[in-house]
Amino acid sequence: RKEVEQDPGPFNVPEGATVAFNCTYSNSASQSFFWYRQDCRKEPKLLMSVYSSGNEDGRFTAQLNRASQYISLLIRDSKLSDSATYLCVVNIRGGGADGLTFGKGTHLIIQP
Amino acid sequence: DTAVSQTPKYLVTQMGNDKSIKCEQNLGHDTMYWYKQDSKKFLKIMFSYNNKELIINETVPNRFSPKSPDKAHLNLHINSLELGDSAVYFCASSSRGNEQFFGPGTRLTVL
Repeated sequence: RKEVEQDPGPFNVPEGATVAFNCTYSNSASQSFFWYRQDCRKEPKLLMSVYSSGNEDGRFTAQLNRASQYISLLIRDSKLSDSATYLCVVNIRGGGADGLTFGKGTHLIIQP
Repeated sequence: DTAVSQTPKYLVTQMGNDKSIKCEQNLGHDTMYWYKQDSKKFLKIMFSYNNKELIINETVPNRFSPKSPDKAHLNLHINSLELGDSAVYFCASSSRGNEQFFGPGTRLTVL
């Protein structure tokens, strides 16, 4: 079973729509959770951390369900510039010097 | 004033050669990493160094040898390159428990 699983898409969404991605993780001892964004031929960049209580950053809302080992990202009022690959990321080891475990990413295309 | 820099950006080489990729961060972070992103875009941790000490060494062939001369640098040396080594290699750094910042990547092509 893969450690972090996501639907690869692509998700084709009209501009202005709301879109949601999910991901599941296999290790119940996972300690921290993130969504990263990666544009074509660029490096991954942190979009937002994901907290147990849920958190929002502008048009972006992240949720964590530890019981179901499930993470979600909601994008409201989507913009053309939101087109990218969204990577669900989990820190499994805990402690310092932790490598991150990445999902394969969900490809989002916002259409005018 | 790039935060995490890597050189070279592109590397094309023949099978069997030995090559190095350099990484430097000017963020004052104490932990640095190497990741590999293959043709299927799957990003996977290879190594992690904390204060010049190896912490994580995933199941990477021993042809890959990281070297950290100081906290700001983590270089990756690859011996006897194989076709399957073709990928994008990302360096990253973080301060304990915080966001990881990635370099722009080195696109390695082995012919």
